[in-house]
Amino acid sequence: EIELTQSPATLSLSPGERATLSCRASQSVNRYLAWYQQKPGQAPRLLIYDASDRAPGIPARFSGSGSGTDFTLTISSLEPEDFAVYYCQQRSNWRGATFGPGTKVEIK
Amino acid sequence: QVQLVESGGGVVQPGGSLRLSCAASGFSFSYFSMHWVRQSPGKGLEWVALIWYGGTKEHYADSVKGRFTISRDNSKNTLYLEMNSLRADDTAVYYCARDRENFDLTGYVDYWGQGIQVTVSS
Repeated sequence: EIELTQSPATLSLSPGERATLSCRASQSVNRYLAWYQQKPGQAPRLLIYDASDRAPGIPARFSGSGSGTDFTLTISSLEPEDFAVYYCQQRSNWRGATFGPGTKVEIK
Repeated sequence: QVQLVESGGGVVQPGGSLRLSCAASGFSFSYFSMHWVRQSPGKGLEWVALIWYGGTKEHYADSVKGRFTISRDNSKNTLYLEMNSLRADDTAVYYCARDRENFDLTGYVDYWGQGIQVTVSS
């Protein structure tokens, strides 16, 4: 099973700052990686798929990059509504999908 | 608009069974592969199972293989998750979720239900 690790566990930033979140896979997932945002009491929301494609309706301040085992989600300038938990997810094979443990972006 | 509404959750004793349902509306249900994803209290997300749009193939997480069965009734626009031999670590909010593209399996989820609580406790 492919495992995902995310860093940092918590990111403390102020609105307007740039956020850089990392996701690392235990083996190559090519570009088959997505990012989700989850706010308390809500279901997750798909932000990015195939490493760098933005889902419909997602603001341009969200961008994804990477391939193989190392991936990055960047939020160029944090808005108040962006403070949430972010999960990466891989789907490189159909032995199953896995999610990372999450990165919490909190207000500094 | 796309709606996914789960039902059938509740409290069950260890070793017991439960069947979750997910009523889909606002899209052509039979065109899309579907997933179940769960989230334990205060924990992260765990993918549980998926079923292809035609219902011909299913895949399961190792943690539920042999105990859970995913199925669908395209005539009723409904997804199911039959859960047997339940354990305490199956306690979670269970989400019904839609795969991102029709007539395909991308593995990415673009719509989620509101989630339903399943608690396994004596």
